[in-house]
Amino acid sequence: QKEVEQNSGPLSVPEGAIASLNCTYSDRGSQSFFWYRQYSGKSPELIMSIYSNGDKEDGRFTAQLNKASQYVSLLIRDSQPSDSATYLCAVNAGGFKTIFGAGTRLFVKA
Amino acid sequence: ETGVTQTPRHLVMGMTNKKSLKCEQHLGHNAMYWYKQSAKKPLELMFVYNFKEQTENNSVPSRFSPECPNSSHLFLHLHTLQPEDSALYLCASSQDRDRGDTEAFFGQGTRLTVV
Repeated sequence: QKEVEQNSGPLSVPEGAIASLNCTYSDRGSQSFFWYRQYSGKSPELIMSIYSNGDKEDGRFTAQLNKASQYVSLLIRDSQPSDSATYLCAVNAGGFKTIFGAGTRLFVKA
Repeated sequence: ETGVTQTPRHLVMGMTNKKSLKCEQHLGHNAMYWYKQSAKKPLELMFVYNFKEQTENNSVPSRFSPECPNSSHLFLHLHTLQPEDSALYLCASSQDRDRGDTEAFFGQGTRLTVV
């Protein structure tokens, strides 16, 4: 059973702090990794994709991938109240079957 | 808007009803997906179509019947559903080559309630 695990949270951080979201996956053959943001009552919105080991930065967001440890993370710098949402980690090991984690709820306190 | 449009946004249906969910993508993508999202559970992949051919059927009960007439349109036909089928049904599309390793873009979803 291929799995993607996330801490459900809520993760609470003060405004301006760094939020760190973590994800582990079970399939060592996984090649593609995604982070989605989902606001309450809305659909998931892609914010980052990463395919190789290391860091990938996009604005306030940094995705980190470590395939040896089967670990992917998302850092949000200068967190804003508008970042409060559920963050979904998704992993694809080939084909069209992308597996999603249950998500981590992030709450940024003003 | 994301370029993926779903209708209706909300649907309440009885267990003996037949209804259909519609999805249309305006992104020129070749792959389309149906996902189910229940409270506190991960997104569950239901069906995948690539160039309007079904490539995945994730052990979905036959009371859910997908239809993909072309690469831009996807339907999910519903009949004799159960209350536990109440969930958010999400359509997504992606521009996949062979490996399905590109990003999926989601529609706004249909909130389905079965009574």
